This record gives sequence, structure tokens and C-alpha cells, in this order.
Amino acid sequence: DAGITQSPRHKVTETGTPVTLRCHQTENHRYMYWYRQDPGHGLRLIHYSYGVKDTDKGEVSDGYSVSRSKTEDFLLTLESATSSQTSVYFCATRALDEQYFGPGTRLTVT
Amino acid sequence: AQTVTQSQPEMSVQEAETVTLSCTYDTSESNYYLFWYKQPPSRQMILVIRQEAYKQQNATENRFSVNFQKAAKSFSLKISDSQLGDTAMYFCAFMKGPGGGADGLTFGKGTHLIIQP
Repeated sequence: DAGITQSPRHKVTETGTPVTLRCHQTENHRYMYWYRQDPGHGLRLIHYSYGVKDTDKGEVSDGYSVSRSKTEDFLLTLESATSSQTSVYFCATRALDEQYFGPGTRLTVT
Repeated sequence: AQTVTQSQPEMSVQEAETVTLSCTYDTSESNYYLFWYKQPPSRQMILVIRQEAYKQQNATENRFSVNFQKAAKSFSLKISDSQLGDTAMYFCAFMKGPGGGADGLTFGKGTHLIIQP
């Protein structure tokens, strides 16, 4: 397994507060991804990165921003959290034609 | 854009039985990959099996095999001799092939598989 960690693993926050989730990888993979998982929707792509400082939007990017200042770190920020952003968030990296997933972060917005 | 459809929200079978999970997809790409992921209650996403679209031979991994029908855009997963540990959510996923850029995976909504003792 690729060495992918996510922090925090669980977070409860209030509506309107900013939240940053961190993904850290030790495999030097170029591509990194953020997905969200909701019941009845499977996993959906939020943003992805194809290199340091190179990012692009996915299917459900509204309300989220990302940054990648180092190969190993990919940050997901909710500028002003809303209840609709309560979800489980997965980070993934890609090597050749396989993706490797982190353990996920459960975020609850009250 | 690609779409992936899993038409069985939940399935339940007895231990040791064989079960088949269905997946259909839609794409205009000619070169792509298909995957089945398992997600147990631990939430970890585990790759079960993968198929390259250019390969006609169906992929097999121990008790897991696929039936890949490219013309029909169908990619079903067969689990033989099912075990209690196979209880999990199973997701079918699509990814563009080489030259498709950095695009991520497109997932189906999942099938909750329950193996009964």
C-alpha cells in the first residue's frame, strides 16, 4: 500500500467555520485526488492535482479549494463549511493506472 | 463524461455460494480501465480486481473474477465460495486510459453485499 495518511481522521465543526483537511503521501506520486463519499452517491471527485501548484476541478468542486505546495502534501479547504459538506473525505494518489486511497476523514458540520 | 451504474443497491447470499454483482458503464473512450473496489466497515478502499479495456481476457484474482463485455459496456464481478469477510460495499469504477490525463475515477453508487452464515 502507498503510504497515505489523512488528518484529522474525525472532525466536528460548526456551520460557517473554515476547515482544512490534509493528505500526506510518502510515495512521491505525481497525481493526487480528493473525493467525498455520501450515502447513495458512491465516491465523487472534488479536486485533483497533477503536480506541485497544478490543480483542477472535479465533479463536485463548489465550496472547496485545494493547494499543493509540495509533492507529498495536498490540502483541501472548506472556506465556510455548510451542513451539505458533512461527508467522508478520501484522499488518493495515482501511480500508473492504479489509485491508492487514504483511510478517510469523517467531517460533520453542525 | 463517463457514467457508471450499479443497479443492485443490496444483495444477500449464504456463505459458500457464488454471487455476481452487476456494473454497466457509458463512455466514448476507446482505451480505459475498470475496477472493483471493496469497502468493509473499516471504511478502507481496497482494490479487488482491475481490467484493461484492450484486453479481451477476463481478469481473475483468486475467488474473484470479472465478466467484461466491451460491446455491451458491462463489467460484472463474480465472487466464488463467498466468505463472511466478503461482507462489504462494492464499488465499480472507471478510469481513462493512458493519454487520458490526470482524471480521477468515476464510481458507481455501490452494492452492499451481505454474506449470511
